[in-house]
Amino acid sequence: ETAVFQTPNYHVTQVGNEVSFNCKQTLGHDTMYWYKQDSKKLLKIMFSYNNKQLIVNETVPRRFSPQSSDKAHLNLRIKSVEPEDSAVYLCASSYGGSSGNTLYFGEGSRLIVV
Amino acid sequence: QQKVQQSPESLSVPEGGMASLNCTSSDRNFQYFWWYRQHSGEGPKALMSIFSDGDKKEGRFTAHLNKASLHVSLHIRDSQPSDSALYFCAAADSNYQLIWGSGTKLIIKP
Repeated sequence: ETAVFQTPNYHVTQVGNEVSFNCKQTLGHDTMYWYKQDSKKLLKIMFSYNNKQLIVNETVPRRFSPQSSDKAHLNLRIKSVEPEDSAVYLCASSYGGSSGNTLYFGEGSRLIVV
Repeated sequence: QQKVQQSPESLSVPEGGMASLNCTSSDRNFQYFWWYRQHSGEGPKALMSIFSDGDKKEGRFTAHLNKASLHVSLHIRDSQPSDSALYFCAAADSNYQLIWGSGTKLIIKP
């Protein structure tokens, strides 16, 4: 049963546009994440965030930024998309504030940049 | 070099057969291991975790961990078509930095 909800499921946009993906979890978890899954299906963490701390993967371009209104929501904003941003973006949550706990993923948001 | 390596990249097993997936880490700091499964069009879902040497069984799934050889495996008995998916191994060190393998694509042939 899905408890991490992502919107939109699919988005096509042009190079240079701004894009936002929304994520909400109903599990009561205190930590949320954004992952990028590329065409080879590799999973790369982009951000992890709890009420106290934002951890950014240093390889993430600065045009990406997380936005959180409360611990149940973590959105992803891409200021000016590039072709290499085409991927599936996966939101996840966990309890306990560390990657040592089981992650619960949403179904993903597929981005296609043309 | 990738710290968590999975093999094989792809595996085809007849329905009802045994599927065996492997994962080797190159970092002795890894202490916690997970297996996740991802069906097409969905996000990964945790199958099971294993933190101690030996076997852990959950239904048709058995994970085996050998910390000395830095090897963890997943065995699926009586494989079903619904087991066809991408399987990820993930490992965490004591700082809980989660490192993912590149996945094994499992195909169960009816």
